[in-house]
Amino acid sequence: DSGVTQTPKHLITATGQRVTLRCSPRSGDLSVYWYQQSLDQGLQFLIQYYNGEERAKGNILERFSAQQFPDLHSELNLSSLELGDSALYFCASSPGGLAPEQFFGPGTRLTVL
Amino acid sequence: AQSVAQPEDQVNVAEGNPLTVKCTYSVSGNPYLFWYVQYPNRGLQFLLKYITGDNLVKGSYGFEAEFNKSQTSFHLKKPSALVSDSALYFCAVSVNNDMRFGAGTRLTVKP
Repeated sequence: DSGVTQTPKHLITATGQRVTLRCSPRSGDLSVYWYQQSLDQGLQFLIQYYNGEERAKGNILERFSAQQFPDLHSELNLSSLELGDSALYFCASSPGGLAPEQFFGPGTRLTVL
Repeated sequence: AQSVAQPEDQVNVAEGNPLTVKCTYSVSGNPYLFWYVQYPNRGLQFLLKYITGDNLVKGSYGFEAEFNKSQTSFHLKKPSALVSDSALYFCAVSVNNDMRFGAGTRLTVKP
């Protein structure tokens, strides 16, 4: 158990809908990262927050947004969902410091029908 | 921009034999390199990392990795494979907190 929690575990929704994925980092970790894992695209970095502020941005679509709250939990919002958004979405957290390792949550499996 | 390549989609070894999972990288400046493992239906787990210093890095579960600057490689190794090592392995490079992962290599260890 990495100490990172994600809810829900599974999510099934329809095209055009909007969903919110939630992540609670390990106790004491200030950084939260979001990743998308799909069969054809592999593991793609989406976005990173550090202590409430956006720190780095990867291949995140404009339909997707995220935020990190004062209690350090984070939410990833996916809107106008398309079939291609079906994937595993992972959250990871890390402490500060030089090139810290990331601790991954169990993921949320999103299925868009 | 940094990138990492894992040239083998699949690696098969017999239990007890040494294993190597290959990784090459491209980055401006000094690389921070990582290996992660993913078991079925689980998130990624950190194995080891290289920041600076000794080129041979030891990590969890008996794994080690060798940093080779001239060949821009960071291959993962284990002297004696176990069936339980069968999983998906990811190499990653980090620059300015932007971590890029390789496509992954599926390791299968047969009894």
